[in-house]
This record gives sequence, C-alpha cells and structure tokens, in this order.
Amino acid sequence: EVVLTQSPATLSLSPGESATLSCRASQSVSSHLAWYQQKPGQAPRLLIFDASKRATGIPARFSGSGSGTDFTLTISSLEPEDFAVYYCQQRSHWPPLTFGGGTKVEI
Amino acid sequence: DVQLVQSGGGLVKPGGSLRLSCATSGFTFNLFSMHWIRQAPGKGLEWVSSISHDGGFIYYADSVKGRFTISRDNAKSSLHLELSSLRAEDTAVYYCARFPTYSALDHWGQGTLVTVSS
Repeated sequence: EVVLTQSPATLSLSPGESATLSCRASQSVSSHLAWYQQKPGQAPRLLIFDASKRATGIPARFSGSGSGTDFTLTISSLEPEDFAVYYCQQRSHWPPLTFGGGTKVEI
Repeated sequence: DVQLVQSGGGLVKPGGSLRLSCATSGFTFNLFSMHWIRQAPGKGLEWVSSISHDGGFIYYADSVKGRFTISRDNAKSSLHLELSSLRAEDTAVYYCARFPTYSALDHWGQGTLVTVSS
C-alpha cells in the first residue's frame, strides 16, 4: 500500500500570503496524484489531478507540481475561502486508493 | 449538472446492517466507475470500495472486506453499499464519488453519517 505523508499538519497564514503544501509518497506514483479541498461539514472538492492539471472551475491561484514521490500544492495568494483542509490522493497503485493525512490551512 | 444525492445511514447497533444509496443524474452513469470513501469523526479520508462502470470489477478495503457489498443499477443510475456486521470503528460519514478513467474523484455526494453504537 502506498503511504502518503503530508506536511505540515497545520499551516497558519494570512489572506494574501502564499501557501505551500507537501505530499510525499512511500514509492513512486508517477504523476498520478490528486489534491482535494475540504471545508467543515462539506464533501471534498477536487482541485488538481495528475499532479498539475486543474479541475474544472478551479481558480488559477491553485497549482500543483511534482512527480515520482514528491508533490506540492501551491496557493499563490490566499483568499478567505481557501482556509480549509487539503488532502492528497494517489491512483497509481490501487486498490487501495490512498489519501494523505491532510494539511489544515488556518488563519 | 452532475449530481450525486445520498440516502440511508443513521444509528445502528454493533453487528447490525444498513444500506446506503447514491442516486446520480446529469451524466451517463454506465460510463463511470464509482467509489465509496468514508471519514471517521475528526479524521481523514479512507477509501472503502469501488465498482467498475459495468460492475465487472469490484474492490474493497481490507477493513471492510467480507462485511460490505458494493453494487450498482445502471438502469436507475444508482450506486449502493450494503454494510453488515457493523462495528464501532465503522462510524463515519460515507461519501459516494465518481471516478473518470485516468482522472480522480471529480464529483462527490453530500455524505451520510453512519453511527454504530449500542
């Protein structure tokens, strides 16, 4: 099973600042990595798939990069609605699909 | 618009059973594999099960294998998850989600809470 480790667990930032979230895989997942955003009481929302492709309707301030075992989600200028929990997920070696433990971006 | 509307869930005693459903619309259901993901209170996301577009390939997480059964009705564009032999550790919000080939979980249901407690 591929283990995804996200860091940091919590990121404390202010609106307008840039956020850099990390996801490390226990083995190579090529570019088969996605990022999701989840707000309290809501279902997750797909942001990025295949490491760097933005999902439909996702603002350009969200960008993804990386391949192999190291991936990054960058939010270029935080808007108030971006404060949430972010998860990475791999589809390279499944079943099972696996998720990282999440990074909380807080004000 | 793509919609996934979940039903079922609730409070059940340990050892009990429950059926979750996910009614879909706005896309050609029989072209997509579908998944169930759960989230225990205050915890992260855990993949539970998946079913291919035609029902020919089915997978389960080890934690639910032999206790949960995924199924789909392509004529009714609906997805189901039968939960049996439920344990306290199965308490979670359960989400259904669509998974286009070579993509990711791009549309999710609203989630339904399953609470296993005596």
